[in-house]
Amino acid sequence: EAGVVQSPRYKIIEKKQPVAFWCNPISGHNTLYWYLQNLGQGPELLIRYENEEAVDDSQLPKDRFSAERLKGVDSTLKIQPAELGDSAVYLCASSPRLAGGNEQFFGPGTRLTVL
Amino acid sequence: ELKVEQNPLFLSMQEGKNYTIYCNYSTTSDRLYWYRQDPGKSLESLFVLLSNGAVKQEGRLMASLDTKARLSTLHITAAVHDLSATYFCAVVQNYGGSQGNLIFGKGTKLSVKP
Repeated sequence: EAGVVQSPRYKIIEKKQPVAFWCNPISGHNTLYWYLQNLGQGPELLIRYENEEAVDDSQLPKDRFSAERLKGVDSTLKIQPAELGDSAVYLCASSPRLAGGNEQFFGPGTRLTVL
Repeated sequence: ELKVEQNPLFLSMQEGKNYTIYCNYSTTSDRLYWYRQDPGKSLESLFVLLSNGAVKQEGRLMASLDTKARLSTLHITAAVHDLSATYFCAVVQNYGGSQGNLIFGKGTKLSVKP
């Protein structure tokens, strides 16, 4: 069974530029998560989807971040414009069941560097 | 607000020694996970603990949960170099708008030296 796929793996951009990350969850997984992981810290949730609905986006900085999960499968996370402080690893995870609290399977992450 | 604290944050061990990593959390929860992360890699699930007194073991790692004390431990027995990684505990939030979300600790960076 293929795991969670993310692309790109690495991205270097200049500040004020836009950037987008893509995630393909494990087949059949209804719940999808985007996390931000700063160096030396644990992952912090940005947004959680159940199917195509964003059920928790309370931690997503909506002035510059946006996300979508069309058709309840793949998801895209966008930052526009990027700031220096956005440099971090962006992790996508998926879970086979709804309602949260279940085991999450993580992708390899996208390491973003903003210059 | 649920807070998760791990200690120590850094742990340097000699091969063959035993040690314990602690995970404290601030509000009640019915589920706790331990994850492992190697440098530059993603998180790998190690254990899920579902009830008070739960104990799970895999190889040299053993995890336990005391829901009354809001404490989980990850015990390492006779450490080997391959166990060098960062270990995270994550607790499920039981209430509020973020119910069902995982709250992670800051991680314990373990280095096992010969």
